[in-house]
Amino acid sequence: NAGVTQTPKFQVLKTGQSMTLQCAQDMNHNSMYWYRQDPGMGLRLIYYSASEGTTDKGEVPNGYNVSRLNKREFSLRLESAAPSQTSVYFCASEAGGGTDTQYFGPGTRLTVL
Amino acid sequence: QKEVEQNSGPLSVPEGAIASLNCTYSDRGSQSFFWYRQYSGKSPELIMFIYSNGDKEDGRFTAQLNKASQYVSLLIRDSQPSDSATYLCAVNTGRRALTFGSGTRLQVQP
Repeated sequence: NAGVTQTPKFQVLKTGQSMTLQCAQDMNHNSMYWYRQDPGMGLRLIYYSASEGTTDKGEVPNGYNVSRLNKREFSLRLESAAPSQTSVYFCASEAGGGTDTQYFGPGTRLTVL
Repeated sequence: QKEVEQNSGPLSVPEGAIASLNCTYSDRGSQSFFWYRQYSGKSPELIMFIYSNGDKEDGRFTAQLNKASQYVSLLIRDSQPSDSATYLCAVNTGRRALTFGSGTRLQVQP
């Protein structure tokens, strides 16, 4: 039982490049989330998916897109990376709709040059 | 005003002492409250959650909630060097997802 997995663990991009961050959970959770964490800023919600087939914007969605591929997988795409997107990205999942415990993946450390 | 506020610290306590971590929130409709611990370079992990006013104890950890004062705290008794980490307060306001504070860094001195 792996919980929440994320790939890659580290990534360096040049400005303008695109990439997709992958997230998968094996806990049969309905809700999944993407956060970014910057020094002194805490965790900020980028996008979330309350259930398979639905996605909604969070606090900082600009420059990102998401896909809830199935119940297990929730991907985050940067279409044209910018240095301001340098951050640590965490995926999380939760059994219920915002009221239950969230379980986090190990994170992806992204640097955009 | 931030929705969830925490003192960034560092909060420094000697080994064996009680560490007290505080969090205030702005939305009176907030329903549930969570404390996560995050070691440097790692992902957050849940320590405790609390829904009702009062205290909730789990081992060396006690969460305290006062909805009238919009205040939630985490007490760590008999603090150990292994407790040194950043502690994140998270609040469920009934909207889409949890709202996190920026965290308090705790240092336990041997």
